[in-house]
Amino acid sequence: AQTVTQSQPEMSVQEAETVTLSCTYDTSESDYYLFWYKQPPSRQMILVIRQEAYKQQNATENRFSVNFQKAAKSFSLKISDSQLGDAAMYFCAYRGSRLSGGATNKLIFGTGTLLAVQP
Amino acid sequence: KAGVTQTPRYLIKTRGQQVTLSCSPISGHRSVSWYQQTPGQGLQFLFEYFSETQRNKGNFPGRFSGRQFSNSRSEMNVSTLELGDSALYLCASSLGTDPLYEQYFGPGTRLTVT
Repeated sequence: AQTVTQSQPEMSVQEAETVTLSCTYDTSESDYYLFWYKQPPSRQMILVIRQEAYKQQNATENRFSVNFQKAAKSFSLKISDSQLGDAAMYFCAYRGSRLSGGATNKLIFGTGTLLAVQP
Repeated sequence: KAGVTQTPRYLIKTRGQQVTLSCSPISGHRSVSWYQQTPGQGLQFLFEYFSETQRNKGNFPGRFSGRQFSNSRSEMNVSTLELGDSALYLCASSLGTDPLYEQYFGPGTRLTVT
């Protein structure tokens, strides 16, 4: 079974600084998808960034980028130029591919990292 | 385009009762998934529906059930409520089950069991 581990329950960053959130996962599949979701106090889950395992290039979305190390099964999120609005719970999530067990939208989530942004 | 809506947003029930939660996906989306979020267990997958068929089910007791209607709206039902069922229940919708389709989450239903 696949598992996702986030070892940092809480992190803090100064506004305008850079912070990296860690995530490791375990799977025997070769093809899969990884995601970072943001859940602000409003509780609505928002997709931040996604990475396809077959792509070697790390995904980037504006101030958000990932460091995907497939061999190490590591998927960290870097937030640059942190803003007050980035304060939220961040979840790392795994999804199997359409080939590995049938097409499914099932996400396996880590336990989350609560990010505080200090002004 | 309207987002995923969930009703009710808040609910208080008593142990032993049953509850039905509703999720209306984004127009055109045919896939709906449900998750339970608790402080102790985190986010756990409940089930997934596509075109009125349950495609996948998480490791939850039979008290948890769901269905999807022809208009893609989905409901989940919890019978004989227990205190441990208190949680935020999230649903997510997607065009389909292709991994390229993004999943959009609703605001959740906060269920409190007393």
